[in-house]
Amino acid sequence: DGGITQSPKYLFRKEGQNVTLSCEQNLNHDAMYWYRQDPGQGLRLIYYSQIVNDFQKGDIAEGYSVSREKKESFPLTVTSAQKNPTAFYLCASIPSQGTGGYTFGSGTRLTVV
Amino acid sequence: GEDVEQSLFLSVREGDSSVINCTYTDSSSTYLYWYKQEPGAGLQLLTYIFSNMDMKQDQRLTVLLNKKDKHLSLRIADTQTGDSAIYFCAESIGGNTPLVFGKGTRLSVIA
Repeated sequence: DGGITQSPKYLFRKEGQNVTLSCEQNLNHDAMYWYRQDPGQGLRLIYYSQIVNDFQKGDIAEGYSVSREKKESFPLTVTSAQKNPTAFYLCASIPSQGTGGYTFGSGTRLTVV
Repeated sequence: GEDVEQSLFLSVREGDSSVINCTYTDSSSTYLYWYKQEPGAGLQLLTYIFSNMDMKQDQRLTVLLNKKDKHLSLRIADTQTGDSAIYFCAESIGGNTPLVFGKGTRLSVIA
């Protein structure tokens, strides 16, 4: 079955560490997105990529980095520069025609310990 | 700029209709979406409407769009306890430009 897979489901980070969240899709979608969700804040856009080897900053990119070396994969690194990383992270994808809305992964909950 | 507003909470009795409202600011929005999120899960697309439509119905779901007032609503008929979730409204100008989401409306269904 086609879909979008995020791993791990839960992730714990120590202060000062970088961690990488995985997002893989087998839907042959061109564009991929990372959102951060905090209680009462809705979804805020971190980074997005409309094509391989290209990506753009979203509204809250500081302290995060991404890469898009393959169409199927769009990993997100939460760096030590991100001062408040505890949140629920959602990855999504859409085909280039993009009228039917995003397909979302099941999310990764990151907690700083 | 783009902004999408929703009320944060709605409580209804089982069997009643639920109406979740949303307002948006970008007059160039082409597509408007409703997503459902259950606890600890990703978002599931419920339905969407193209900006040249006024209404779309899909089983228990009815979407109404008032483009003049930039107002979108989602009506859930015969609301069930399984409908308890957070509902997000989102807008897009089309293609693969990023969707802009509201903060979500938490629907609680009382048995």
